[in-house]
Amino acid sequence: NAGVTQTPKFQVLKTGQSMTLQCAQDMNHEYMSWYRQDPGMGLRLIHYSVGAGITDQGEVPNGYNVSRSTTEDFPLRLLSAAPSQTSVYFCASSRPQSSYEQYFGPGTRLTVT
Amino acid sequence: GDSVTQMEGPVTLSEEAFLTINCTYTATGYPSLFWYVQYPGEGLQLLLKATKADDKGSNKGFEATYRKETTSFHLEKGSVQVSDSAVYFCALSDSGEGRGNKLVFGAGTILRVKS
Repeated sequence: NAGVTQTPKFQVLKTGQSMTLQCAQDMNHEYMSWYRQDPGMGLRLIHYSVGAGITDQGEVPNGYNVSRSTTEDFPLRLLSAAPSQTSVYFCASSRPQSSYEQYFGPGTRLTVT
Repeated sequence: GDSVTQMEGPVTLSEEAFLTINCTYTATGYPSLFWYVQYPGEGLQLLLKATKADDKGSNKGFEATYRKETTSFHLEKGSVQVSDSAVYFCALSDSGEGRGNKLVFGAGTILRVKS
């Protein structure tokens, strides 16, 4: 099993550009989440999904969109990148029976100039 | 809302020293508590958990006890190794229905162990 995979690993964007961060898992987990990690602030939840077709907002959803058309994939879209979105982004998945045990991907480091 | 407060780092120790990383929480319900670890260049991994008061979570020589009276979940290890160098995150999960996959994280504590 590959677990949770994320692409790309690094990305530099100019202000106003759009892009999609990819996340996939092969563990058949129903729950998936996106977090951003900023120095001194830990991880903050952006969006999450409890199953295909179901998404909801987390703590810091503004500027990000998500969709969940399959169990395996949970892409995160930045419609118009801003310097405040410079961060490390982590995708995670878990099973409903033990949803606190989240399996994290290796992260995407995004810089917006 | 729920929150987690961790001691600021970095914490620098010599090999075989005793480790304590403090964690306190604020929650309205009866949360489950966790420690996650992030090794350099990797995502987070669950280190240990405790789901109710007085539970002790343990793994890889690390321990933490859920103290409801002091709302704390301090991480301890009797003898650290260089390979324990990482960032440690305390987290809680509200046990309310439908919120099971939402984790609230502390800011993280960097641990550096010197040989």
